[in-house]
Amino acid sequence: GAVVSQHPSWVICKSGTSVKIECRSLDFQATTMFWYRQFPKQSLMLMATSNEGSKATYEQGVEKDKFLINHASLTLSTLTVTSAHPEDSSFYICSASDAGLVNEQFFGPGTRLTVL
Amino acid sequence: GNSVTQMEGPVTLSEEAFLTINCTYTATGYPSLFWYVQYPGEGLQLLLKATKADDKGSNKGFEATYRKETTSFHLEKGSVQVSDSAVYFCALSESGGSYIPTFGRGTSLIVHP
Repeated sequence: GAVVSQHPSWVICKSGTSVKIECRSLDFQATTMFWYRQFPKQSLMLMATSNEGSKATYEQGVEKDKFLINHASLTLSTLTVTSAHPEDSSFYICSASDAGLVNEQFFGPGTRLTVL
Repeated sequence: GNSVTQMEGPVTLSEEAFLTINCTYTATGYPSLFWYVQYPGEGLQLLLKATKADDKGSNKGFEATYRKETTSFHLEKGSVQVSDSAVYFCALSESGGSYIPTFGRGTSLIVHP
């Protein structure tokens, strides 16, 4: 149980375009979802936390107008990278927590974004 | 604030060697402790966890014991395999709130045949 999926697993886009990444909890209701960014050979950097039906809380230094997060249902959150540039190329990982499972997050497999 | 310190990698071992990856933490409360593994090109997978002092988490031959007195959660495996090559992240999560983990920087493990 507690499976989180992400789609797509990788995407290549042209500079200036927008890209949407989906994160789904497959077998539980995710009251909270998290979006992380990971640079090569580095740890995860939390970008934002989103609760279903409310606005996301962004970490300091993360542009909320560039990284749009929508958590419209208890099983789906989306991250849209708007007007992507090469420096946005990274590995994006989502995770989800279930209020019934204490102190644990479940991670998606990640999405590799490459902006040309 | 909370923090997690892991030994720097990469750790390079021969197959069947003994593995230890050190992890120490600082926390204001009584956190749960985790080890995650990330295989090349993939997301994080929970390897094992411990929720209170003296608990031992174990999975796939890996073990770690929650040591409150030394604020440590070292990862060990008696005999590593080539397939264990990955990056290992130690993390802690405080009780209550939104369970956002604090991650260590990760330790790369390379196992040679």
